[in-house]
Amino acid sequence: KNEVEQSPQNLTAQEGEFITINCSYSVGISALHWLQQHPGGGIVSLFMLSSGKKKHGRLIATINIQEKHSSLHITASHPRDSAVYICAVRPYYSGGGADGLTFGKGTHLIIQP
Amino acid sequence: EADIYQTPRYLVIGTGKKITLECSQTMGHDKMYWYQQDPGMELHLIHYSYGVNSTEKGDLSSESTVSRIRTEHFPLTLESARPSHTSQYLCASSERGSYGYTFGSGTRLTVV
Repeated sequence: KNEVEQSPQNLTAQEGEFITINCSYSVGISALHWLQQHPGGGIVSLFMLSSGKKKHGRLIATINIQEKHSSLHITASHPRDSAVYICAVRPYYSGGGADGLTFGKGTHLIIQP
Repeated sequence: EADIYQTPRYLVIGTGKKITLECSQTMGHDKMYWYQQDPGMELHLIHYSYGVNSTEKGDLSSESTVSRIRTEHFPLTLESARPSHTSQYLCASSERGSYGYTFGSGTRLTVV
């Protein structure tokens, strides 16, 4: 059974701080997603990774396939970054079954002004 | 800008009522998914479809049913709503051969 573990579960930081959220998983994967969920519930896809590193604005995502670990970084954090950040993996199946995502429980991030 | 639309965004309904949650996408994606998210918990896959007339149950058992008569439309139905069905339901789609997903805004269902 695939487990996706995120840390920390909750994080409160001051505006401008550098933020790191971690994700570990237990099975081989085709891809890893970082998602952002705002209080209204809708989900926005931030990154999809299968190797290396990606950057978009102030957001950086890295993945280490051998260690089964990924990190999401936010530089120069801002109150509008306050949201739940969710790590999700697409397990690699040899055949059959759903190819839906397996999700972590999310990291609740609050950036205070 | 969302290319996958869910309606309604919020629904409060009485026990025993039949409800249908709508999900439509304009991207021509073959694969569509329904996820359920209880408050404070992670999302779990409850239904998926790989194309027209294809539907399968996901990892989490659900009393809901789905249909896929058209590529762009993947509605979820509860024949008789119960308070235990109170949850958020998220629809997503994916293109065949792609690992990318597009999510809808979700439907927050409350059964009283």
